[in-house]
Amino acid sequence: GDSVTQMEGPVTLSEEAFLTINCTYTATGYPSLFWYVQYPGEGLQLLLKATKADDKGSNKGFEATYRKETTSFHLEKGSVQVSDSAVYFCALSGDTGFQKLVFGTGTRLLVSP
Amino acid sequence: DAGVTQSPTHLIKTRGQHVTLRCSPISGHKSVSWYQQVLGQGPQFIFQYYEKEERGRGNFPDRFSARQFPNYSSELNVNALLLGDSALYLCASSLALAGGPGTQYFGPGTRLLVL
Repeated sequence: GDSVTQMEGPVTLSEEAFLTINCTYTATGYPSLFWYVQYPGEGLQLLLKATKADDKGSNKGFEATYRKETTSFHLEKGSVQVSDSAVYFCALSGDTGFQKLVFGTGTRLLVSP
Repeated sequence: DAGVTQSPTHLIKTRGQHVTLRCSPISGHKSVSWYQQVLGQGPQFIFQYYEKEERGRGNFPDRFSARQFPNYSSELNVNALLLGDSALYLCASSLALAGGPGTQYFGPGTRLLVL
């Protein structure tokens, strides 16, 4: 079945450092790919998405490119802030015939001043 | 416009009891999905409802059931609670037809603790 694999956390960075969180997926067909962010004690917020190969999703300085050849959707940000500290989830929506997101296990990001 | 709302925010139950969780989707959204997020893990899909019909079901036992009302709000019911049902229960709504690549928007969740 469909699955998503994310890099283990926590990822610990200093403010203004470059961020990469790796995400790879396994799916049949052509899934849509998403990054969601979860701040402490809150639900999930959509960060960005891409619906077809070579699409780049971007939002709030974060970017991710849908790479079908490597089945990847890595999240990047050029300069992180303390306020970016959260858990980041990579997810896909496949060809199931209904609305179902398959999530990775999440990667915790800790940014220190 | 208000986002997805869920109630209650927190709930404590004991083993064997029954629980009902509620969700109101974003105005105009006809699809509601439910997810279970156990501490330290990613959310797991439980159900999707679209136009008051169940469109998809995840790998959860029959103790879990749901329904959607004419105003598109939804309830998730869990019977015979087990300790392992302790989790954050998330509701998500979407504009898209069932099976389309629609974006799901999540509510803040209901945190259930089973003692």
